[in-house]
Amino acid sequence: KAGVTQTPRYLIKTRGQQVTLSCSPISGHRSVSWYQQTPGQGLQFLFEYFSETQRNKGNFPGRFSGRQFSNSRSEMNVSTLELGDSALYLCASSGGQGIGITEAFFGQGTRLTVV
Amino acid sequence: GDSVTQMEGPVTLSEEAFLTINCTYTATGYPSLFWYVQYPGEGLQLLLKATKADDKGSNKGFEATYRKETTSFHLEKGSVQVSDSAVYFCALHAGGTSYGKLTFGQGTILTVHP
Repeated sequence: KAGVTQTPRYLIKTRGQQVTLSCSPISGHRSVSWYQQTPGQGLQFLFEYFSETQRNKGNFPGRFSGRQFSNSRSEMNVSTLELGDSALYLCASSGGQGIGITEAFFGQGTRLTVV
Repeated sequence: GDSVTQMEGPVTLSEEAFLTINCTYTATGYPSLFWYVQYPGEGLQLLLKATKADDKGSNKGFEATYRKETTSFHLEKGSVQVSDSAVYFCALHAGGTSYGKLTFGQGTILTVHP
């Protein structure tokens, strides 16, 4: 069974630009969550999608947005990039039918560098 | 709000030494608890989990017991190997409407020397 796939693995963008990251969950998983990982703030939850609906959102500005498609693939978008957005962005998928998590599987992440 | 506190690292051990990484949590209700491991340049891998009080999660020689009375989920391994060198994260899922949200500790860097 293929794991969680995130593309691209690395990105370099300029301040003010926007970026779109992609995540393909494990086949059959309908819940996709996104996290930002930085040395200073650690792992922080961005948002979660289930069956194309955002069910939960973390404390990030509106520049951070996401969506999920009918095949459960998800994208996140960051507009008007700032230097502080440089981070490893991780995607996780889980069965997610209920309200709990029994096990979340993470992708390898996308390393975003804003210059 | 929900939070996870891990012992500060880094932790440096010799091969075959005993490992303990402390983790305590604050949450309302009855969270599920997890330990994840991250190797350099990789995403997170689930190491073990426990979903209710007194449950013991175990995997690859690592163990952790969900202690509700002390709100703790300490990670232990009896004999570490060089290949265990990685960053370890304690995490909780609060249940309720916390859809998809894991709350993580700051991570503990473990280095094991031969």
